[in-house]
Amino acid sequence: DNVMTQSPLSLPVTPGEPASISCRSSQSLVHSNGRNYLDWYVQKPGQSPQLLIYLVSNRASGVPDRFSGSGSGTDFTLKISRVEAEDVGVYYCMQPLQIPFTFGQGTRLEIK
Amino acid sequence: EVQLLESGGGLVQPGGSLRLSCAASGFSFNNYAMNWVRQAPGRGLEWVSGISGSGATTFYADSVKGRFTISRDNSKKALFVEMNSLRAEDTAVYFCARVSCGSECYYKMDVWGQGTTVTVSS
Repeated sequence: DNVMTQSPLSLPVTPGEPASISCRSSQSLVHSNGRNYLDWYVQKPGQSPQLLIYLVSNRASGVPDRFSGSGSGTDFTLKISRVEAEDVGVYYCMQPLQIPFTFGQGTRLEIK
Repeated sequence: EVQLLESGGGLVQPGGSLRLSCAASGFSFNNYAMNWVRQAPGRGLEWVSGISGSGATTFYADSVKGRFTISRDNSKKALFVEMNSLRAEDTAVYFCARVSCGSECYYKMDVWGQGTTVTVSS
Protein backbone atom coordinates (compact mmCIF):
# COMPACT_ATOMS: atom_id res chain seq x y z
CA ASP A 1 0.00 0.00 0.00
CA ASN A 2 1.04 3.58 -0.57
CA VAL A 3 1.54 4.92 2.94
CA MET A 4 0.77 8.61 3.44
CA THR A 5 2.64 10.30 6.29
CA GLN A 6 1.62 13.74 7.52
CA SER A 7 3.49 16.11 9.80
CA PRO A 8 2.94 17.62 12.18
CA LEU A 9 0.00 15.72 13.65
CA SER A 10 -0.92 18.68 15.84
CA LEU A 11 -0.61 22.28 14.73
CA PRO A 12 -1.40 25.15 17.13
CA VAL A 13 -1.47 28.44 15.25
CA THR A 14 -2.05 32.05 16.21
CA PRO A 15 -4.74 33.75 14.10
CA GLY A 16 -3.18 35.69 11.26
CA GLU A 17 -0.07 33.55 11.23
CA PRO A 18 0.80 31.09 8.46
CA ALA A 19 0.58 27.33 8.73
CA SER A 20 2.07 24.47 6.78
CA ILE A 21 1.35 20.73 6.66
CA SER A 22 3.61 18.20 5.03
CA CYS A 23 2.41 15.01 3.35
CA ARG A 24 4.77 12.36 2.10
CA SER A 25 3.84 9.24 0.16
CA SER A 26 5.82 6.00 0.18
CA GLN A 27 5.39 5.71 -3.61
CA SER A 28 5.27 8.27 -6.37
CA LEU A 29 1.90 9.86 -7.06
CA VAL A 30 2.66 10.70 -10.68
CA HIS A 31 0.00 9.35 -13.01
CA SER A 32 0.81 8.22 -16.55
CA ASN A 33 -0.84 11.46 -17.70
CA GLY A 34 1.90 13.42 -15.90
CA ARG A 35 -0.33 14.76 -13.15
CA ASN A 36 0.28 14.18 -9.46
CA TYR A 37 -2.71 12.54 -7.79
CA LEU A 38 -2.87 14.12 -4.35
CA ASP A 39 -5.93 15.68 -2.73
CA TRP A 40 -6.43 17.54 0.55
CA TYR A 41 -9.55 17.34 2.72
CA VAL A 42 -10.55 19.05 5.94
CA GLN A 43 -12.97 17.79 8.54
CA LYS A 44 -14.24 20.60 10.71
CA PRO A 45 -15.64 19.76 14.15
CA GLY A 46 -18.89 17.84 13.93
CA GLN A 47 -18.94 17.90 10.13
CA SER A 48 -18.34 15.54 7.24
CA PRO A 49 -15.02 15.88 5.42
CA GLN A 50 -14.90 18.43 2.63
CA LEU A 51 -12.66 18.81 -0.37
CA LEU A 52 -10.03 21.52 -0.04
CA ILE A 53 -7.57 20.97 -2.88
CA TYR A 54 -7.37 18.40 -5.68
CA LEU A 55 -4.48 17.33 -7.89
CA VAL A 56 -1.93 19.00 -5.60
CA SER A 57 -2.77 22.65 -6.19
CA ASN A 58 -6.33 23.16 -7.46
CA ARG A 59 -8.59 24.78 -4.91
CA ALA A 60 -12.10 23.38 -4.67
CA SER A 61 -15.03 25.66 -5.29
CA GLY A 62 -15.43 28.21 -2.51
CA VAL A 63 -12.06 27.59 -0.90
CA PRO A 64 -10.32 30.88 -0.03
CA ASP A 65 -7.07 31.69 -1.79
CA ARG A 66 -5.24 31.70 1.55
CA PHE A 67 -5.08 27.94 0.99
CA SER A 68 -2.49 26.65 -1.44
CA GLY A 69 -1.00 23.30 -2.30
CA SER A 70 2.29 22.34 -3.85
CA GLY A 71 4.65 19.43 -4.42
CA SER A 72 5.29 16.55 -6.74
CA GLY A 73 6.37 12.92 -6.72
CA THR A 74 6.27 11.93 -3.08
CA ASP A 75 6.49 15.25 -1.26
CA PHE A 76 3.55 17.62 -0.87
CA THR A 77 2.62 20.64 1.22
CA LEU A 78 -0.57 22.42 2.18
CA LYS A 79 -0.11 26.04 3.22
CA ILE A 80 -2.46 28.51 4.82
CA SER A 81 -1.14 32.03 4.41
CA ARG A 82 -3.06 33.54 7.33
CA VAL A 83 -4.96 31.21 9.64
CA GLU A 84 -8.45 32.18 10.71
CA ALA A 85 -10.58 30.77 13.52
CA GLU A 86 -12.82 28.98 11.00
CA ASP A 87 -9.86 26.90 9.78
CA VAL A 88 -9.93 24.74 12.91
CA GLY A 89 -10.24 21.07 12.01
CA VAL A 90 -8.36 17.98 10.94
CA TYR A 91 -6.59 18.12 7.59
CA TYR A 92 -6.01 14.97 5.57
CA CYS A 93 -4.02 14.30 2.44
CA MET A 94 -5.17 11.44 0.25
CA GLN A 95 -3.78 9.61 -2.73
CA PRO A 96 -6.44 8.51 -5.28
CA LEU A 97 -3.93 6.93 -7.64
CA GLN A 98 -3.17 3.44 -6.41
CA ILE A 99 -5.61 0.93 -4.98
CA PRO A 100 -6.15 0.98 -2.07
CA PHE A 101 -6.55 4.73 -1.96
CA THR A 102 -4.99 5.95 1.26
CA PHE A 103 -5.28 8.92 3.60
CA GLY A 104 -2.68 10.46 5.83
CA GLN A 105 -3.20 10.19 9.60
CA GLY A 106 -4.60 13.71 9.76
CA THR A 107 -3.22 16.97 11.16
CA ARG A 108 -5.27 18.70 13.83
CA LEU A 109 -5.11 22.45 13.44
CA GLU A 110 -6.06 24.42 16.54
CA ILE A 111 -6.08 28.09 17.38
CA LYS A 112 -3.70 29.27 20.08
CA GLU B 1 -29.27 21.18 -4.50
CA VAL B 2 -26.55 18.54 -4.84
CA GLN B 3 -26.94 16.13 -1.95
CA LEU B 4 -26.02 12.68 -0.69
CA LEU B 5 -27.97 11.00 2.08
CA GLU B 6 -26.77 7.78 3.68
CA SER B 7 -29.00 5.34 5.53
CA GLY B 8 -29.01 1.78 6.81
CA GLY B 9 -26.58 2.01 9.68
CA GLY B 10 -27.23 0.41 13.03
CA LEU B 11 -26.14 -2.10 15.63
CA VAL B 12 -25.23 -5.56 14.36
CA GLN B 13 -23.61 -8.57 15.97
CA PRO B 14 -20.20 -9.81 14.89
CA GLY B 15 -20.58 -12.01 11.85
CA GLY B 16 -23.76 -10.25 10.85
CA SER B 17 -24.68 -8.30 7.74
CA LEU B 18 -25.86 -4.82 6.91
CA ARG B 19 -26.67 -2.93 3.73
CA LEU B 20 -25.95 0.77 3.54
CA SER B 21 -27.58 3.04 1.00
CA CYS B 22 -26.70 6.47 -0.32
CA ALA B 23 -29.39 8.46 -2.09
CA ALA B 24 -28.13 11.07 -4.55
CA SER B 25 -30.00 14.13 -5.72
CA GLY B 26 -29.36 17.27 -7.73
CA PHE B 27 -26.89 15.85 -10.26
CA SER B 28 -26.56 13.30 -13.08
CA PHE B 29 -25.64 10.36 -10.90
CA ASN B 30 -24.46 8.03 -13.66
CA ASN B 31 -21.79 10.52 -14.74
CA TYR B 32 -19.88 10.21 -11.47
CA ALA B 33 -17.79 7.54 -9.82
CA MET B 34 -18.55 7.13 -6.12
CA ASN B 35 -16.60 6.13 -3.04
CA TRP B 36 -17.36 4.84 0.44
CA VAL B 37 -15.10 6.22 3.17
CA ARG B 38 -15.33 5.32 6.84
CA GLN B 39 -14.15 6.78 10.12
CA ALA B 40 -13.80 4.63 13.23
CA PRO B 41 -14.52 6.36 16.54
CA GLY B 42 -11.79 8.89 17.29
CA ARG B 43 -9.81 7.82 14.24
CA GLY B 44 -8.93 9.18 10.83
CA LEU B 45 -10.48 8.58 7.43
CA GLU B 46 -10.21 5.22 5.67
CA TRP B 47 -11.18 4.63 2.04
CA VAL B 48 -13.35 1.51 1.81
CA SER B 49 -14.54 1.04 -1.76
CA GLY B 50 -15.10 2.78 -5.08
CA ILE B 51 -17.27 2.22 -8.13
CA SER B 52 -17.23 3.71 -11.62
CA GLY B 53 -20.14 5.69 -13.01
CA SER B 54 -21.46 2.72 -14.99
CA GLY B 55 -20.92 0.33 -12.13
CA ALA B 56 -18.70 -1.89 -14.26
CA THR B 57 -15.55 -1.26 -12.22
CA THR B 58 -15.24 -1.69 -8.48
CA PHE B 59 -12.38 -1.42 -6.03
CA TYR B 60 -11.96 -2.43 -2.40
CA ALA B 61 -9.63 -1.88 0.52
CA ASP B 62 -7.90 -5.08 1.58
CA SER B 63 -9.61 -4.86 4.97
CA VAL B 64 -13.06 -5.38 3.40
CA LYS B 65 -12.31 -7.32 0.22
CA GLY B 66 -14.39 -10.46 0.03
CA ARG B 67 -16.79 -9.23 2.72
CA PHE B 68 -18.15 -5.96 1.28
CA THR B 69 -19.80 -5.48 -2.10
CA ILE B 70 -20.33 -2.05 -3.61
CA SER B 71 -23.04 -1.50 -6.20
CA ARG B 72 -25.21 1.21 -7.67
CA ASP B 73 -28.59 1.63 -9.29
CA ASN B 74 -28.29 4.56 -11.67
CA SER B 75 -32.00 4.50 -12.49
CA LYS B 76 -32.72 5.18 -8.81
CA LYS B 77 -29.66 7.40 -8.23
CA ALA B 78 -28.54 5.18 -5.40
CA LEU B 79 -25.27 3.76 -4.14
CA PHE B 80 -25.03 0.71 -1.91
CA VAL B 81 -22.58 -1.31 0.08
CA GLU B 82 -23.47 -4.79 1.24
CA MET B 83 -21.44 -5.65 4.32
CA ASN B 84 -21.12 -9.28 5.42
CA SER B 85 -19.12 -11.08 8.09
CA LEU B 86 -18.94 -7.86 10.06
CA ARG B 87 -16.24 -7.45 12.66
CA ALA B 88 -15.79 -5.12 15.61
CA GLU B 89 -13.17 -3.23 13.62
CA ASP B 90 -15.81 -2.33 11.01
CA THR B 91 -17.46 -0.08 13.60
CA ALA B 92 -17.38 3.38 12.07
CA VAL B 93 -19.27 6.22 10.50
CA TYR B 94 -19.63 5.42 6.82
CA PHE B 95 -19.66 8.29 4.32
CA CYS B 96 -20.53 8.14 0.65
CA ALA B 97 -18.75 10.67 -1.52
CA ARG B 98 -19.13 11.82 -5.10
CA VAL B 99 -16.04 11.80 -7.25
CA SER B 100 -16.23 14.70 -9.66
CA CYS B 101 -13.25 14.11 -11.95
CA GLY B 102 -15.40 11.93 -14.20
CA SER B 103 -16.95 8.49 -14.31
CA GLU B 104 -13.71 6.53 -14.41
CA CYS B 105 -11.32 8.44 -12.16
CA TYR B 106 -11.28 8.76 -8.41
CA TYR B 107 -9.78 12.06 -7.32
CA LYS B 108 -11.71 15.12 -6.22
CA MET B 109 -14.41 13.87 -3.82
CA ASP B 110 -16.39 17.08 -3.80
CA VAL B 111 -19.71 16.07 -2.24
CA TRP B 112 -20.03 14.03 0.95
CA GLY B 113 -23.00 12.73 2.82
CA GLN B 114 -23.55 13.26 6.52
CA GLY B 115 -22.60 9.66 7.30
CA THR B 116 -24.37 6.67 8.82
CA THR B 117 -23.10 4.88 11.92
CA VAL B 118 -22.39 1.17 11.97
CA THR B 119 -21.72 -0.49 15.31
CA VAL B 120 -20.60 -4.11 15.39
CA SER B 121 -20.95 -5.47 18.89
CA SER B 122 -22.49 -8.37 20.78
